Formats: sequence, C-alpha cells, structure tokens
Amino acid sequence: AQSVTQPDIHITVSEGASLELRCNYSYGATPYLFWYVQSPGQGLQLLLKYFSGDTLVQGIKGFEAEFKRSQSSFNLRKPSVHWSDAAEYFCAGAYGGATNKLIFGTGTLLAVQP
Amino acid sequence: DVKVTQSSRYLVKRTGEKVFLECVQDMDHENMFWYRQDPGLGLRLIYFSYDVKMKEKGDIPEGYSVSREKKERFSLILESASTNQTSMYLCASNLQGSVRETQYFGPGTRLLVL
Repeated sequence: AQSVTQPDIHITVSEGASLELRCNYSYGATPYLFWYVQSPGQGLQLLLKYFSGDTLVQGIKGFEAEFKRSQSSFNLRKPSVHWSDAAEYFCAGAYGGATNKLIFGTGTLLAVQP
Repeated sequence: DVKVTQSSRYLVKRTGEKVFLECVQDMDHENMFWYRQDPGLGLRLIYFSYDVKMKEKGDIPEGYSVSREKKERFSLILESASTNQTSMYLCASNLQGSVRETQYFGPGTRLLVL
C-alpha cells in the first residue's frame, strides 16, 4: 500500500541550529513528493516539491529537500532555524498520472528554543 | 495570490445536527478537496470534486457528503453529526491536471460535536 511516513512526531531545536525532518515513502514507482508547512491557526503552505531531475530541491523560506531513491527518503533541511519556523510540517506523496490524490504523513511538530 | 476561504474558523454543533462547511476559492480552479486533520493521523481525504456537480470519494467518505453547484464553491455536509466527527476540516483547490499542480489550502474549520 502507498504510504508516507514521518518517524518524528515532535522535534525541538535551538534557534540558529540546523534542522532535518525525515520523510520516507513506499511506492513501486518514483512518487511525486511534497513538503507542506502549517503555522499555528493557518492552512497548509507548500514549501517545495519534487517530480524528477535534480534530487536536491530548493524551496521557500530557505528550506531544501533531498530525494534519495536508495533510502526511499525525502528529508527536509534548513541550515539555520528561525523562531518563526516553529510549525507543523507535513510530507506528502502521490503517484503521477491523472490522480490528484495526495497521501500525507502524520506530521512533525517543530518547536524552536531561543 | 490564490485565496481559499472557509466559512467558519470554529464551529460547535450537537450530535445529530446537520452541518454545512463551506469553501470558496477565487482562482477558477477546477479541483477542490475536503480533508480532515487529526493528531497523529495527518490529513485524510474525504471527498474531492473535479468539476461542477462532479465528485469522487476519498479515503474516508463515510458519514459525509459534498455539493458543488458552482465552480468556486465546495460544500461538505455532515448529514447527522457525531462526536467522532470532531476534527479540523481543511479545504483545498488546484488546477485540473495531474497532482503536479499545487494544492492551495484554506485556514481550516475546527468542528466540535457535543
């Protein structure tokens, strides 16, 4: 079955420290992969997406993600976290083709310590 | 900027009531989606619509119905609300095509069923 797994429910980092949020997928073919962020009281905002090509993807707000087929992973990274990055982060995936269905992970809640 | 609005941010209803959640998008998107978001479960697709009067079941349609009479508006209906439908409901929309088209989310409606 298609699935997207985010192993970390909650992560705390210090402001200025680097960040890596983990995402693993299970598909037969290469999926389309996305990272969304949900700030408190807000809807989801797309940070970045990967379809094919360069495996390192740049997104908004200084985030990047790397697709690693050998590890079935699409981890989100940021070199220096700001207090405003505190939010919940969702990884999502989908098969290509005509489907519009995204499969979401369970989310990782990021807390940023001063 | 794409705007997806939801009629209520917070809603309190009683068991057995009929509940309407409204979503409006202003970008002429063909596709619209309803998700529910629960802690530890991420987002799960309830229904989506790819055109006026067209709908397709998502992963958890039981207890819900939808209506799309106009392109910009997509309604989620709880025919007889139950306490297990207490949740955050998110609406999204995107252009017709594959899942490559970014889904834009509304701010969510937090529903409490007593």
